[in-house]
Amino acid sequence: GQNIDQPTEMTATEGAIVQINCTYQTSGFNGLFWYQQHAGEAPTFLSYNVLDGLEEKGRFSSFLSRSKGYSYLLLKELQMKDSASYLCAGSGYNKLIFGAGTRLAVHP
Amino acid sequence: DAGVTQSPTHLIKTRGQHVTLRCSPISGHKSVSWYQQVLGQGPQFIFQYYEKEERGRGNFPDRFSARQFPNYSSELNVNALLLGDSALYLCASSAAEGPFSYEQYFGPGTRLTVT
Repeated sequence: GQNIDQPTEMTATEGAIVQINCTYQTSGFNGLFWYQQHAGEAPTFLSYNVLDGLEEKGRFSSFLSRSKGYSYLLLKELQMKDSASYLCAGSGYNKLIFGAGTRLAVHP
Repeated sequence: DAGVTQSPTHLIKTRGQHVTLRCSPISGHKSVSWYQQVLGQGPQFIFQYYEKEERGRGNFPDRFSARQFPNYSSELNVNALLLGDSALYLCASSAAEGPFSYEQYFGPGTRLTVT
């Protein structure tokens, strides 16, 4: 199988740092996407990791370990507008498998 | 430039009917993918088309079909609608030649309700 697992919900405080983990079965995936989805809106692209290591993009960073089937999204200096669902998705040649998403609530 | 557009925005159908959903990709994008998103879940991959050819298919019954036109727009057809087909249907386009190694841009979706 190619399950993608991520926590259902997380809460954090404005200004803090939060790490959202994603684990997956390694067979068939050659890269990992992170998308952000606000309620009632379409997903928007955040990052794509195809090599092991950390990719930094402003306040957001994403890490991938292909051998461990593990990724995380790191959000720094949290803002209220970061309250959203964060979707982890494994990509293969002819498929893209999304996790159920992690709903992040940022509190003042 | 316009983003990915989808029509209609909302749709209500009854069981047994069929539905056609439409998608126009970003100008210059030749790849279109379709996803079904049930409330509280992540999007589930249905189809991917590139240059009018099906390049990928998810685990959906044959009641679901799609096609891509010469202008790269796409249609998703669902026959014999079931209550469980109620969902948000998302279309995404990318510049990728290969299916999923590039960023995808999602449209606003079509909310389908089957009663």
